[in-house]
Amino acid sequence: AQSVAQPEDQVNVAEGNPLTVKCTYSVSGNPYLFWYVQYPNRGLQFLLKYITGDNLVKGSYGFEAEFNKSQTSFHLKKPSALVSDSALYFCAVRDRNTGGFKTIFGAGTRLFVKA
Amino acid sequence: DAGVTQSPTHLIKTRGQQVTLRCSPKSGHDTVSWYQQALGQGPQFIFQYYEEEERQRGNFPDRFSGHQFPNYSSELNVNALLLGDSALYLCASSLQQLNNQPQHFGDGTRLSIL
Repeated sequence: AQSVAQPEDQVNVAEGNPLTVKCTYSVSGNPYLFWYVQYPNRGLQFLLKYITGDNLVKGSYGFEAEFNKSQTSFHLKKPSALVSDSALYFCAVRDRNTGGFKTIFGAGTRLFVKA
Repeated sequence: DAGVTQSPTHLIKTRGQQVTLRCSPKSGHDTVSWYQQALGQGPQFIFQYYEEEERQRGNFPDRFSGHQFPNYSSELNVNALLLGDSALYLCASSLQQLNNQPQHFGDGTRLSIL
């Protein structure tokens, strides 16, 4: 069965420090990988994706993520956190072989950036 | 360019009732997916509609059904509501031929069951 694990319910970081939000997955084959962010009372906003190619992908608002096939991980990173980055972050995977849009989401990690 | 719009934004129902939620996809998109996001959890895939047919389904009972119209808009219907159906229901749209691309999400309908 496909699954996504975000081992940390919450990540706390000081403004200006680097941040990492962890994600590991269990999916057969080579999945498409995504990160989304959710602000209070809003839907999900797309941050970045891994389809193929370079293991380090860059996305919106200075975020990047590193794909590691051997560890089945797709950690989200940012070199310097902003208070405005405080939000709920979701890692998601989609089986590229099914041809549809069924996407499996992790439980989410709340990022809190302190000024 | 309007994004994904959902209505209503909030809804309160009682156990046993039926509810219909509505979604208009982003302009140019032809595929609509529905997700249930319970409090403190990630979104759970309910089903996907393309060409007015259900194409994929998650692990949800038959009480959850849907429809897609010729203009690509969609409805989610839930019958015999249970307390556990209380959640944020998210609609996501996409272009069927580009399944390696992210979905675009609406702001959701918050459904509360009393």
